[in-house]
Amino acid sequence: GAGVSQSPSNKVTEKGKDVELRCDPISGHTALYWYRQSLGQGLEFLIYFQGNSAPDKSGLPSDRFSAERTGGSVSTLTIQRTQQEDSAVYLCASASLMRHEAFFGQGTRLTVV
Amino acid sequence: AQTVTQSQPEMSVQEAETVTLSCTYDTSESNYYLFWYKQPPSRQMILVIRQEAYKQQNATENRFSVNFQKAAKSFSLKISDSQLGDTAMYFCAFMKPYTGTASKLTFGTGTRLQVTL
Repeated sequence: GAGVSQSPSNKVTEKGKDVELRCDPISGHTALYWYRQSLGQGLEFLIYFQGNSAPDKSGLPSDRFSAERTGGSVSTLTIQRTQQEDSAVYLCASASLMRHEAFFGQGTRLTVV
Repeated sequence: AQTVTQSQPEMSVQEAETVTLSCTYDTSESNYYLFWYKQPPSRQMILVIRQEAYKQQNATENRFSVNFQKAAKSFSLKISDSQLGDTAMYFCAFMKPYTGTASKLTFGTGTRLQVTL
């Protein structure tokens, strides 16, 4: 596609349920990032994928969070047993490391009630 | 590890005036990339401008320009002829070049810019 696409745009879930957030990167981009942004705050790094290399998972806040990237393209961020503190906007970006610039999707606003 | 610091949490500028947002960073790398992103209330992160560290010439994109001081590790953004649509959160970011290992995009904490009439 022309840009990074994230789905759903908004998600409301009950505490304790699992959620999956999806990111479709720009075609040909080998790098993919997930960030979390709480209301009015900065970007918190979660995880980074680059090609076939092992992902950098150093930002995942707990073992309830996991992410995968299938076929070097689409990525899914999974949050198990959601808690209210997981409420935030989850942003995905993909990057061309030939050009070294990253473009973001519109984000998924997750609300845990 | 790289760090990016934005020391101005909030700034205000009148329409048509010029404003400069500050950013400093810390790295031991000699080559890297720096960015300014804009995040309006719509929450979409928009890439405003990109600078390659090995290029001495400051990047310019229409009304947006940077003052890149490599020795001082400073990367400020100047917005000329400010418009109401420039009201947004602005994030400074750093990326190491891809050399086969992770090339994480590191962000500052942001500066909230309000453009007033």
